[in-house]
Amino acid sequence: DAKTTQPTSMDCAEGRAANLPCNHSTISGNEYVYWYRQIHSQGPQYIIHGLKNNETNEMASLIITEDRKSSTLILPHATLRDTAVYYCIVRVGGNTGKLIFGQGTTLQVKP
Amino acid sequence: DAGITQSPRHKVTETGTPVTLRCHQTENHRYMYWYRQDPGHGLRLIHYSYGVKDTDKGEVSDGYSVSRSKTEDFLLTLESATSSQTSVYFCAISVTATTDTQYFGPGTRLTVL
Repeated sequence: DAKTTQPTSMDCAEGRAANLPCNHSTISGNEYVYWYRQIHSQGPQYIIHGLKNNETNEMASLIITEDRKSSTLILPHATLRDTAVYYCIVRVGGNTGKLIFGQGTTLQVKP
Repeated sequence: DAGITQSPRHKVTETGTPVTLRCHQTENHRYMYWYRQDPGHGLRLIHYSYGVKDTDKGEVSDGYSVSRSKTEDFLLTLESATSSQTSVYFCAISVTATTDTQYFGPGTRLTVL
């Protein structure tokens, strides 16, 4: 499974866009990029996923580079409730479907 | 929110005692997973199930067993709890194992003294 690299922590001002980068330079052609977040002591929450096209949903946008070696999660208007640990995960299809969580990025949204 | 509950939510037990954690879903999803989360390790897969009575090991399965006799319930058992099994345990479910999203339960905080 491909490994991901994320910054340990980031700050963002409330109301501004939060851009969280992820490097996955060893990603294979059939591996999807998933983003989850975990708010303190809660279970991880799914945000978005993509294969090679950019994706957008009600929570966020996912921008994947053309070579698929990196991606960026964008929270367009961060709020204090978006303070959490954000995990970028590269997931292989197959029978297990297991998610391999790294250390993630701790996003602190400040007033 | 996906209909996933975990019980108990908190448990303190002593070394050597058996412990069973329960994950219950109301979504009728085929796949269920048990993860543990520890500081410095993120979430790690313990066991997973791809159907009733069909289970397999994850990356940290030693010391744990699981059972799934009904679609809605996935049990995680620590036959003889050790202090190294003090952790937060999360259950997750998904419709399929390929690209489907996993939805997580609220977690069980287990302390083994």
